[in-house]
Amino acid sequence: EPEVTQTPSHQVTQMGQEVILRCVPISNHLYFYWYRQILGQKVEFLVSFYNNEISEKSEIFDDQFSVERPDGSNFTLKIRSTKLEDSAMYFCASSEGQVKNIQYFGAGTRLSVL
Amino acid sequence: DQQVKQNSPSLSVQEGRISILNCDYTNSMFDYFLWYKKYPAEGPTFLISISSIKDKNEDGRFTVFLNKSAKHLSLHIVPSQPGDSAVYFCAASAVRSSGSARQLTFGSGTQLTVLP
Repeated sequence: EPEVTQTPSHQVTQMGQEVILRCVPISNHLYFYWYRQILGQKVEFLVSFYNNEISEKSEIFDDQFSVERPDGSNFTLKIRSTKLEDSAMYFCASSEGQVKNIQYFGAGTRLSVL
Repeated sequence: DQQVKQNSPSLSVQEGRISILNCDYTNSMFDYFLWYKKYPAEGPTFLISISSIKDKNEDGRFTVFLNKSAKHLSLHIVPSQPGDSAVYFCAASAVRSSGSARQLTFGSGTQLTVLP
């Protein structure tokens, strides 16, 4: 069964460092997403991506964040200068279409900013 | 922002009985609703969905009911099994312009425990 894969499963970094979280969406999917979940809080939308550009972004997704689809398979989230409050689980998701918007999630990357 | 609310943080049910998980929403623009199950250290796993043009969708042991006038949906699991023990999230999405992706707005989740 096709699945969304995320690497690494756990990333530890120092405050102010850049991190790149990687995702391989399901191959025939066209829409890609990043969400995050801070410990004890809701899963929050960060950004969506379609047709090689950002479709929508939340207020969380400020200038420190960027996304890229560098090739036909990978989808990355970059945090340029990490802050303590960026510590969270980051989930990548993908969906096949827009109308029946079933999003399939990866297992997540736990980001710990020290 | 409380557009999607799950007011019960936890629910315990005996094996074999019905589990009913509830979700309320406030945004009238939501037209597609989903339930996800999540185990610790894993991502949300899609369970079942329903479009706003329907009031019921069934898939095996899982049934989702939508009451648009009350802005309420529920997930019924019958019969409940110990393996169903997980956190269940309700999520909703709103129509967007053609071609644009639809973000999901999640509830806070309900921890379901099915007792053997």
